[in-house]
Order: sequence, then structure tokens, then C-alpha cells
Amino acid sequence: DQQVKQNSPSLSVQEGRISILNCDYTNSMFDYFLWYKKYPAEGPTFLISISSIKDKNEDGRFTVFLNKSAKHLSLHIVPSQPGDSAVYFCAARRGGSEKLVFGKGTKLTVNP
Amino acid sequence: AAGVIQSPRHLIKEKRETATLKCYPIPRHDTVYWYQQGPGQDPQFLISFYEKMQSDKGSIPDRFSAQQFSDYHSELNMSSLELGDSALYFCASRPLSRVTQYFGPGTRLTVL
Repeated sequence: DQQVKQNSPSLSVQEGRISILNCDYTNSMFDYFLWYKKYPAEGPTFLISISSIKDKNEDGRFTVFLNKSAKHLSLHIVPSQPGDSAVYFCAARRGGSEKLVFGKGTKLTVNP
Repeated sequence: AAGVIQSPRHLIKEKRETATLKCYPIPRHDTVYWYQQGPGQDPQFLISFYEKMQSDKGSIPDRFSAQQFSDYHSELNMSSLELGDSALYFCASRPLSRVTQYFGPGTRLTVL
């Protein structure tokens, strides 16, 4: 049972445009959400996070939006750069638990 | 900035052999996590430790055991290896004051 879902396995955008990566979750007990970027043969690199008490968090080119009623979050990258090309994982943590539950990832390709 | 260190980076074992993976967390991070990522899969939580005590447990096989030592490094011991144990094994760490987990580069285990 996939509690964190990233329904788009891949996304391709042009350099300079906006990249929007989506993530849906089913467990209403999740209270913290994180986005990680992963290059091949490397570990996931933390990008940005958001607590369930907020609906938006921004850090430079990266913004995460959380819609609790829809159990949906999205990562916006503006402007997209070729170096952003990687697999992006959405992860969630349930309050009182240590583990992160990951989605299956979305492969982003930013074309020059 | 210091990152999570994992060793070895690559490991090849035969079926029924044993393997030990090591993880050195970021300095002043007192919580350590182990995740397993199979080919094309999302990382799956195995186990976590806080102050040398197991703090949470996921889908870790009984053939695997782990511990955290007084210097906060952790070891994942895997016995009676099976072909299906071939995967990337990530270690992550975090300080008590934060939710974000920071991942190491991973150990790629291949069981032949």
C-alpha cells in the first residue's frame, strides 16, 4: 500500500521554465513532508521541507506547497536549470514515528 | 560541510554469506537510520537508533541486525544473504532538534 504517491515517473521541461513535481499522500497522520533530489550513484540530497501546519515554504528557486484537504503537495522549481535534472523523491513522516515514507520518485529532465 | 560516511561503497557477496555495512553520521547527529532501496524502488525504512537504543523498526528481515555505538556510528549486519538482498543501502542521520534526515552516499550490495 503506497502511502506516498508520485504519479508522474518523469517530467521534461525547458531551461528557464517552471518545473512542478506533484505528490499525493493517503495517511492523514503525516505531519512533516520533505523533498529530496537524487543523482545516480549518490544518496538523496535534502532540498526543502514543510510542516503540516503550513501551506507554503520557499527557499530560493524552490517552493513547496501543501494542500492538506486534498492530501497533496507540490514542488515548484523556478527557473529550472539543467543541473536540476535528477530524480526527485517526496517523503513524509508520521508524528511519533522516526521513519520517512517515500514516493517512487519523479525523474526530472531540464533541457538546455 | 561534513556529510554522512558509509563504507564500503560497493560490496559483492555470495549467497549465504554475511556482510557488515558501516555508517558514520554527521558530527553531533545522534539519530541514525538505515534504508534499503531496490532497483527502481523507493527507499524502504529498515531501522533507526537514538543514543544507541533502537528507536523505530521497519521492514527489516530477522537475518539483519544493527546497532549504534558510543561514538554514534552504526553497523548493519546481514547474514545468510539472499539474491533479493541486492540493493542500495542508505544510512541517514539527524540531530535531535530537527526532523530532516541527511543521507549518505549509500552502499551498493550485490549478492551473487
